Amino acid sequence: KAGVTQTPRYLIKTRGQQVTLSCSPISGHRSVSWYQQTPGQGLQFLFEYFSETQRNKGNFPGRFSGRQFSNSRSEMNVSTLELGDSALYLCASSSGLGGYEQYFGPGTRLTVT
Amino acid sequence: AQSVAQPEDQVNVAEGNPLTVKCTYSVSGNPYLFWYVQYPNRGLQFLLKYITGDNLVKGSYGFEAEFNKSQTSFHLKKPSALVSDSALYFCAVRAMNTGFQKLVFGTGTRLLVSP
Repeated sequence: KAGVTQTPRYLIKTRGQQVTLSCSPISGHRSVSWYQQTPGQGLQFLFEYFSETQRNKGNFPGRFSGRQFSNSRSEMNVSTLELGDSALYLCASSSGLGGYEQYFGPGTRLTVT
Repeated sequence: AQSVAQPEDQVNVAEGNPLTVKCTYSVSGNPYLFWYVQYPNRGLQFLLKYITGDNLVKGSYGFEAEFNKSQTSFHLKKPSALVSDSALYFCAVRAMNTGFQKLVFGTGTRLLVSP
């Protein structure tokens, strides 16, 4: 099976712009989660989707949003980018919620200048 | 609120020696516990998990972890470390009470295995 894919892999944006990141889960996986990884804050949970419904949300401002499509692919959007949004954004998919392990993609490295 | 603590930023061990990476957790409800590993410039990889049943769980690459409910711990262990085990290790917990809560990760422990 193909793994989790994320596009783009690298992105450079300017403050105030918006960005959309894409994630394609492993075939058959219905749950997708998003995380922000930074050296100072570690891995911070953003969202979790299952069957197109947001099941959990992290403590991020409303500038961060996401969605999941009927084919389980997911996108996250960050509007009005700030310098502090520079991070590695990781997507993970799993068969379901609860005790199912998550499989991570390689991440999208976002740099905001 | 659920939380995970990895008290050591770094663990140093010589190749061939046993290793332990510590993790303690705090949840309301039953915990689902996970260990992930991140190699340089690579994504996180699942190592093992505890859901229910036997307190000692075995995972990939010879790793194992012991669930201790009374001490709320889930330490990662390996009998004989390899240089290739050098990486960043994350413990994570998800609580099950009124529905499944979000997966919360610890801050990570860097394991350095010297030849």
